[in-house]
Amino acid sequence: DIQMTQSPSSLFASVGDRVTITCRASQDIRNDLGWYQQTPGKAPKRLIFAASSLRSGVPSRFSGSGSGTEFTLTINSLQPEDFATYYCLQHNSYPYTFGQGTKLEIK
Amino acid sequence: EVQLVESGGGLVQPGRSLRLSCAASGFTFDGYAMHWVRQAQGKGLEWVSGISWDSGSIGYADSVKGRFTISRDNVKKSLYLQMNSLRVEDTALYYCVKDLWFGELHDWGQGTLVTVSS
Repeated sequence: DIQMTQSPSSLFASVGDRVTITCRASQDIRNDLGWYQQTPGKAPKRLIFAASSLRSGVPSRFSGSGSGTEFTLTINSLQPEDFATYYCLQHNSYPYTFGQGTKLEIK
Repeated sequence: EVQLVESGGGLVQPGRSLRLSCAASGFTFDGYAMHWVRQAQGKGLEWVSGISWDSGSIGYADSVKGRFTISRDNVKKSLYLQMNSLRVEDTALYYCVKDLWFGELHDWGQGTLVTVSS
């Protein structure tokens, strides 16, 4: 099974900051990775697909990069609505696996 | 508009069974793979199981393999999760999720809560 290691588990930042979250896969998953955002009490929302493609309607301050085993989610110029928990998900092969999550909090 | 409405959750004793359902509308159900994802209170997301549009490809998380069975009825536009031999650690909110393209979990229901406790 493919393991996803996500870091950091929590992150404190201010409005306007730039932050980066990393996911590492235990084996090559090509670009079969998505990033999801979850706010309290809500279902997750897909932000990025194919490692670096932005879902329609998602602000351009979000970006993804990487392939193979190393992936990053970058948020430029943080906005108040961006403070949430973020997860990566590998869908290269069953069983799919999420990263442990990164809780982004206001400093 | 895509709608996914889960049902069937509730309180159940360890070792017992429960069957979750997901009623889909607003899209061509038999054109998409579907998944179940769960989340324990205050914890992260865990992918549970997925099924292709024609039920020809099915996968399970190791934590549920041999106990849970995913299925679908394309005529009824419904997804199911039969959960047997339930454990306390299966307690979670279970989401029904529509797959846009080979694992892109695009549309999510609001979830149904399963509580396993004696």
